[in-house]
Amino acid sequence: EIVLTQSPGTLSLSPGERATLSCRASQSVSSSYLAWYQQKPGQAPRLLIYGASSRATGIPDRFSGSGSGTDFTLTISRLEPEDFAVYYCQQYGSSQPFGQGTKVEIK
Amino acid sequence: EVQLLESGGGLVQPGGSLRLSCAASGFTFSSYAMSWVRQAPGKGLEWVSAISGSGGSTYYADSVKGRFTISRDNSKNTLYLQMNSLRAEDTAVYYCAKGQNDYGDYVTPLDYWGQGTLVTVSS
Repeated sequence: EIVLTQSPGTLSLSPGERATLSCRASQSVSSSYLAWYQQKPGQAPRLLIYGASSRATGIPDRFSGSGSGTDFTLTISRLEPEDFAVYYCQQYGSSQPFGQGTKVEIK
Repeated sequence: EVQLLESGGGLVQPGGSLRLSCAASGFTFSSYAMSWVRQAPGKGLEWVSAISGSGGSTYYADSVKGRFTISRDNSKNTLYLQMNSLRAEDTAVYYCAKGQNDYGDYVTPLDYWGQGTLVTVSS
């Protein structure tokens, strides 16, 4: 079974800065079935990226995803105040595990 | 507008049972796979189970296999999760979520989520 490991656990940045989040899989993710979600306190998760690099409907273009195989990255080009949240990656193949999450907090 | 409304959560004793429901609207329910994802208090997301659009195929995380049963009633646009032999570690907010792809396969990201229902397993 695939295990997803996200790093760092916490990212402390200022608005306007660039955020780079990593998701590493214990084995290759088939057909780039890799998604990223954003979750704010008290809210349900929101789909940001699917297929490793495709933005979901309504997601601003400051969010981008890249990677293949076992290494994937979510990049937020310029952090807006509403982007401070927890981010999860998920493999949605035969099993559908999530990573443990990366918290992006205001520095 | 897609809406997912979970219900059925509550306090249950260890070893007990509970059935969660998720009422869906705003889309052709039978065309989409659906999933249950849970989140223990202060913890991350854990995928629990998924079901194809027709209901003919079901999938479970190892942590709940043999104890939980996912099902759906496409005539009522409702998803269910029957939870038996509940343990303290099953305590979590349970979210239902809709698959993005409209061919009913469960290999799909989750594009809409309900607000969740809290299940607490405690004596």
